[in-house]
Amino acid sequence: GESVGLHLPTLSVQEGDNSIINCAYSNSASDYFIWYKQESGKGPQFIIDIRSNMDKRQGQRVTVLLNKTVKHLSLQIAATQPGDSAVYFCAEDTDKLIFGTGTRLQVFP
Amino acid sequence: EPEVTQTPSHQVTQMGQEVILRCVPISNHLYFYWYRQILGQKVEFLVSFYNNEISEKSEIFDDQFSVERPDGSNFTLKIRSTKLEDSAMYFCASSARGRGSGANVLTFGAGSRLTVL
Repeated sequence: GESVGLHLPTLSVQEGDNSIINCAYSNSASDYFIWYKQESGKGPQFIIDIRSNMDKRQGQRVTVLLNKTVKHLSLQIAATQPGDSAVYFCAEDTDKLIFGTGTRLQVFP
Repeated sequence: EPEVTQTPSHQVTQMGQEVILRCVPISNHLYFYWYRQILGQKVEFLVSFYNNEISEKSEIFDDQFSVERPDGSNFTLKIRSTKLEDSAMYFCASSARGRGSGANVLTFGAGSRLTVL
């Protein structure tokens, strides 16, 4: 399956707060799950990936959690900054990248 | 940092005209892709390309579309006879590897905006 979905279309957070963006997936056979962000007027940009045999991976200010039992991914952004404002997509690692509609993260001062 | 470059950044064309969008993928990448994004909508897969042939294409990628790697650096998307509904942002992407050896991370270009009048 190619279905990826986001629980919320828009998330508004105050600068400095932590953000949590959720995603559901359908293809349990995916070896990796990947998060991309798309800033206004730009192409999608890789953020972080996680292998399917892991349940957590940390990057710089970002953490991805994978719950295979309920087929759920989340992206946590610590100390959210105005520059984090973008649309965030999760994606299953297949030969072609299939995007869902994404979650728009809005950061206000 | 290596990047995918796309030209033109914006093209305006009349309905029925042919359009060629150009992309220079990252030099050591072997897999190439085109995606499109209609204003306000999600990014949609069009086609993937490897070893000088199409690997996979979506139902959007009909006979009006074609891709080519005319030399060692360029990767082009041609729309033979543009329609109003082809107006969109077109993104080129490339990756170093396909599935089976780590996540297939795509690097996207900034996009080419196509406006069909």
